[in-house]
Amino acid sequence: DAKTTQPPSMDCAEGRAANLPCNHSTISGNEYVYWYRQIHSQGPQYIIHGLKNNETNEMASLIITEDRKSSTLILPHATLRDTAVYYCIVRYNDYKLSFGAGTTVTVRA
Amino acid sequence: EAGVAQSPRYKIIEKRQSVAFWCNPISGHATLYWYQQILGQGPKLLIQFQNNGVVDDSQLPKDRFSAERLKGVDSTLKIQPAKLEDSAVYLCASSLVGTSPYNEQFFGPGTRLTVL
Repeated sequence: DAKTTQPPSMDCAEGRAANLPCNHSTISGNEYVYWYRQIHSQGPQYIIHGLKNNETNEMASLIITEDRKSSTLILPHATLRDTAVYYCIVRYNDYKLSFGAGTTVTVRA
Repeated sequence: EAGVAQSPRYKIIEKRQSVAFWCNPISGHATLYWYQQILGQGPKLLIQFQNNGVVDDSQLPKDRFSAERLKGVDSTLKIQPAKLEDSAVYLCASSLVGTSPYNEQFFGPGTRLTVL
């Protein structure tokens, strides 16, 4: 699996958009970009995934650069409940999720 | 729909003792995973089952860890004997099918193991 690089932590103001970057410069053509998050004392939760095109669902938007070497997860209106560790994972069409250390996002009132 | 259930939520044991964790996946999910999450790190896959067969156990320390999923539904993970470095949260996850890129894994709340 390709490796990802994420900042260890970031703060965000409540009600503002949170933009979480992820670098995956060695991603191959068949590898998807996945985002999961883990709220304290809970198991990870799926957020969104994409291959080439930008994706949006009720939780977030995923912007993937044209060369696919980086992506950004956007939480459009962050709330205190979005405080969590966010994991960016690149994955081939198999079962494996290889979690790194992720980004600890703290949403402040 | 009911989520992935795990028990116990917490367990404290002495080193060299044995411990077992139980997981009941979401109904209809063929694939079940066990992960180990050490404090400050992301989860690490230990073993994956497809129905009641093992698909990948390459990261499972087989000298002390074992897992089974006898009827293709719930699963148990056992550690015997436990070491201090086994202190971690053990997460169970399930998914409909393991080999699809659209395949979302659903995680349980985990069992926090402390080995003294």
